[in-house]
Amino acid sequence: EIVLTQSPGTLSLSPGERATLSCRASQSVSSSYLAWYQQKPGQAPRLLIYGASSRATGIPDRFSGSGSGTDFTLTISRLEPEDFAVYYCQQYGSSPLLTFGQGTKVEIK
Amino acid sequence: QVTLRESGPALVKPTQTLTLTCTFSGFSLSTSGMCVSWIRQPPGKALEWLALIDWDDDKYYSTSLKTRLTISKDTSKNQVVLTMTNMDPVDTATYYCARISSSWPNWYFDLWGRGTLVTVSS
Repeated sequence: EIVLTQSPGTLSLSPGERATLSCRASQSVSSSYLAWYQQKPGQAPRLLIYGASSRATGIPDRFSGSGSGTDFTLTISRLEPEDFAVYYCQQYGSSPLLTFGQGTKVEIK
Repeated sequence: QVTLRESGPALVKPTQTLTLTCTFSGFSLSTSGMCVSWIRQPPGKALEWLALIDWDDDKYYSTSLKTRLTISKDTSKNQVVLTMTNMDPVDTATYYCARISSSWPNWYFDLWGRGTLVTVSS
């Protein structure tokens, strides 16, 4: 089973700043089969990125994903007030066993 | 419009069996490549994948919970049911069902239900 480790645990930034979130896998993720989700308090997660770098339908282009192998990054180019939330990565494709990272909280500084 | 909605008891006692139902609309689980999965989230904690059933009735389970979980589907009712035996207070969580609409290996969740909070307490 692939273990995903996200860092940092909490990111304190101001609106307009750039956010860089990391997701590291315990072994190589096949063909960049990695997704990112955003979760706001009291809400279900929402798909942002799949295939490591493809934006889901309706996701603004300030969200971008990159990486391959064991190291992946979610970047929010300029934080909007609605972007303060918890972000999770998820790997798939290596086996039918799906795993999530422990999350990174992006909070207002 | 594609929606998923979870239903089930809000409170269960330790050692009891939990049965949750995911009722969905706007897609068919008989469509090739379609899957429905269950994920849970204890209060203030991370997401944990539990189980998945695909269009072909293949079933997959979390390694750590495999012995306690059963997933099934009723295509005619557009429902997926998850049972979890021997419930414990540590199983207190919000339980989500979510859709996968891409064929293996593209198993990412493109749509989620709102979740249902299950509390395990005597």
